[in-house]
Amino acid sequence: AQKITQTQPGMFVQEKEAVTLDCTYDTSDPSYGLFWYKQPSSGEMIFLIYQGSYDQQNATEGRYSLNFQKARKSANLVISASQLGDSAMYFCAMPHPRGSNYKLTFGKGTLLTVNP
Amino acid sequence: NAGVTQTPKFQVLKTGQSMTLQCAQDMNHNSMYWYRQDPGMGLRLIYYSASEGTTDKGEVPNGYNVSRLNKREFSLRLESAAPSQTSVYFCASRPDRGRQPQHFGDGTRLSIL
Repeated sequence: AQKITQTQPGMFVQEKEAVTLDCTYDTSDPSYGLFWYKQPSSGEMIFLIYQGSYDQQNATEGRYSLNFQKARKSANLVISASQLGDSAMYFCAMPHPRGSNYKLTFGKGTLLTVNP
Repeated sequence: NAGVTQTPKFQVLKTGQSMTLQCAQDMNHNSMYWYRQDPGMGLRLIYYSASEGTTDKGEVPNGYNVSRLNKREFSLRLESAAPSQTSVYFCASRPDRGRQPQHFGDGTRLSIL
């Protein structure tokens, strides 16, 4: 069974600084991927970024990037130049192995607060 | 640009009452999912549907039933609501191919007294 661990229940960062949100995973599948979602206080789930295990470079989407370290089984989300609007819950999620219709296992999330 | 639409957004039930949560997507996706979100637990999969006419259990299916009415609609039913089912419920859909993310509805906040 897959397992996703987010060890930081809450994080604080000053506006304009960078922040790293941790995500570690455990899977027996040789090919896998990791998603990150953002959930603001309004409640919707917003897709941020995806990384596949065979991708040659770390994924980047605007101010979001993934620090993907397969040997450590970690896929940490880096947010550069934090903005007040980045205050939200952040979830790491892994699809189940191929053939399982891409069901997602979520971590418990990290609540990020950006201070002015 | 509707995406995934869930109704209702909020509902309060009494223990033992029944309720159907509705979900519809207009993106022509085959795969649809129901999750529940509880404080400190992240999202957990209740049921999913790979295509019209097929459904399968997820991690926490007890107390729920689902119906994939057609390609667009996937409903979640609580036959006899219990306080433990107080939660926020999310419906999602996903394209079949590629490394595509699931698209989520805005959620239904359900309280059972």
